[in-house]
Amino acid sequence: KAGVTQTPRYLIKTRGQQVTLSCSPISGHRSVSWYQQTPGQGLQFLFEYFSETQRNKGNFPGRFSGRQFSNSRSEMNVSTLELGDSALYLCASRLGTAQDEQFFGPGTRLTVL
Amino acid sequence: AQRVTQPEKLLSVFKGAPVELKCNYSYSGSPELFWYVQYSRQRLQLLLRHISRESIKGFTADLNKGETSFHLKKPFAQEEDSAMYYCALSSGGGADGLTFGKGTHLIIQP
Repeated sequence: KAGVTQTPRYLIKTRGQQVTLSCSPISGHRSVSWYQQTPGQGLQFLFEYFSETQRNKGNFPGRFSGRQFSNSRSEMNVSTLELGDSALYLCASRLGTAQDEQFFGPGTRLTVL
Repeated sequence: AQRVTQPEKLLSVFKGAPVELKCNYSYSGSPELFWYVQYSRQRLQLLLRHISRESIKGFTADLNKGETSFHLKKPFAQEEDSAMYYCALSSGGGADGLTFGKGTHLIIQP
């Protein structure tokens, strides 16, 4: 069974630009969560999508948004990039309920110059 | 607000010695607690969760609600245990995100 995949793996952008990251969950998983990992703040929850609906949201500004498609693939978008958005963005998928184990992808390393 | 604290950034022990990685949390309700591990060049993966009460790779963790702690323990460390360990909390019940601690880098010396 293929694991969670994220594309691209590395990305370099400049301030003010926008970026879209993609996550393909494990087949059959309907929930996708996104996390931001930085040296200073550690791992922080961004949001979760389930059946194309945002089910929960962390404490991030509106520049961070996401969506989920009918095949459960998810995208995360960050607009008007700031230097502080440089981070590893992790995606995790699970079957659907809070009791299900989350499986993490390898992450997308975003660098904002 | 919920919070997870891992007081040790780095923990170095010798092979065969006992290991204890500390985790304290603050949450007003009944949380679910987890330990995640990330080995070198591998993905973050679940090690164990308190509701399953099982031992994985020789590791155990007991939820102590009085002390709001969920320390990870192993009686005899092995070199392959070297990794980053993250304690995480979920409010349980409905779907929500995980709140992670900053992590502890465990190094097992030969």
